Amino acid sequence: NAGVTQTPKFQVLKTGQSMTLQCAQDMNHEYMSWYRQDPGMGLRLIHYSVGAGITDQGEVPNGYNVSRSTTEDFPLRLLSAAPSQTSVYFCASSPGTAMNTEAFFGQGTRLTVV
Amino acid sequence: AQKVTQAQTEISVVEKEDVTLDCVYETRDTTYYLFWYKQPPSGELVFLIRRNSFDEQNEISGRYSWNFQKSTSSFNFTITASQVVDSAVYFCALSEARYGNKLVFGAGTILRVKS
Repeated sequence: NAGVTQTPKFQVLKTGQSMTLQCAQDMNHEYMSWYRQDPGMGLRLIHYSVGAGITDQGEVPNGYNVSRSTTEDFPLRLLSAAPSQTSVYFCASSPGTAMNTEAFFGQGTRLTVV
Repeated sequence: AQKVTQAQTEISVVEKEDVTLDCVYETRDTTYYLFWYKQPPSGELVFLIRRNSFDEQNEISGRYSWNFQKSTSSFNFTITASQVVDSAVYFCALSEARYGNKLVFGAGTILRVKS
């Protein structure tokens, strides 16, 4: 069981570059979400999706785009990387409303913007 | 708006000591879920417990126990007879009932257990 798979695990970007963080889950979960983790601030929700074709903003969405064309994949795009986006990014998935269980997290992507 | 406060930034204990991690939450929802996650030095997030707002029973799992009190909006976590392997960052989180993946996390408590 792969669970939630994030790629890459590490990435260094230059300011202004764009990139996509990949997230895939093989549990047929309806819900997927992206969080960023910064020291002393816990995890904060960037974007989330309640199903294919449906996305919405979380607490800190600026500078990020998402799409959900399939149930399995939920990529996070950085349009023009900034040093403030240096962080650890976690993707999570969970079943739908009728089965409200814990979120399953990927291993994380450590992103450094220089 | 929902909010989770973990007032203890860092706690250091000696092995075999008991330790309690505090979590206080704010929400206007009547139905919600509370969680604890562990993040060991390797960085992954490990699920520990989920509790819904209608279940105030305390729970014990081995050396771990949780005390949920709606009257004080608290969901505290106690580790009995701590071990070095318990050293990690512990996060308390809150979600509304409708969207289980919209988690609001506390800032986390770093627990250091010394041998």
